[in-house]
Amino acid sequence: GAVVSQHPSWVICKSGTSVKIECRSLDFQATTMFWYRQFPKQSLMLMATSNEGSKATYEQGVEKDKFLINHASLTLSTLTVTSAHPEDSSFYICSAEAGNTDTQYFGPGTRLTVL
Amino acid sequence: QKEVEQNSGPLSVPEGAIASLNCTYSDRGSQSFFWYRQYSGKSPELIMFIYSNGDKEDGRFTAQLNKASQYVSLLIRDSQPSDSATYLCAVNLIQGAQKLVFGQGTRLTINP
Repeated sequence: GAVVSQHPSWVICKSGTSVKIECRSLDFQATTMFWYRQFPKQSLMLMATSNEGSKATYEQGVEKDKFLINHASLTLSTLTVTSAHPEDSSFYICSAEAGNTDTQYFGPGTRLTVL
Repeated sequence: QKEVEQNSGPLSVPEGAIASLNCTYSDRGSQSFFWYRQYSGKSPELIMFIYSNGDKEDGRFTAQLNKASQYVSLLIRDSQPSDSATYLCAVNLIQGAQKLVFGQGTRLTINP
């Protein structure tokens, strides 16, 4: 149980385009989902906390207008990187919280490369 | 002081030995503690969680929590080369805050 999927697993795009990443909890409902970014050889960096039916809470320094988050259902959250630039190239990972347990289960990640 | 601290390593352990990974945290009120394993290029995978003081065992893994000393550890018995990975300690620092704070991770290498 507690499986989280992400799509796509990797994406290469041109600078200036927008990229949407989907995160789904497959066998449980997730009121809360999280979006992380990880650069090579660095630790996870929380970008935002996404609650179903409400606006996401962004961490300090994360541009809400650039990283659009939508959590329209209990099993789906999306992250859209708008007008992506090479410095946005990173490993984006979502996680979903099972119930109110504080336990987060991670998706497999999406590797974004912006040319 | 960092909220969640881990020794970044690398930690090298011979195959078959016990690997001991440690983590300290700053908020005495923390309630939930997690260990994740992350292979290179992959996302984190939950290994164990612990809420109460003492030991919790799951197969070759044992999590140990000492709230008075504000540390949590992970022991891996009979270490295997496949255990080579980065181990992340995560703590819910404030009850109800809905987010985990991760340590920098300890890179573990099991030598055959």
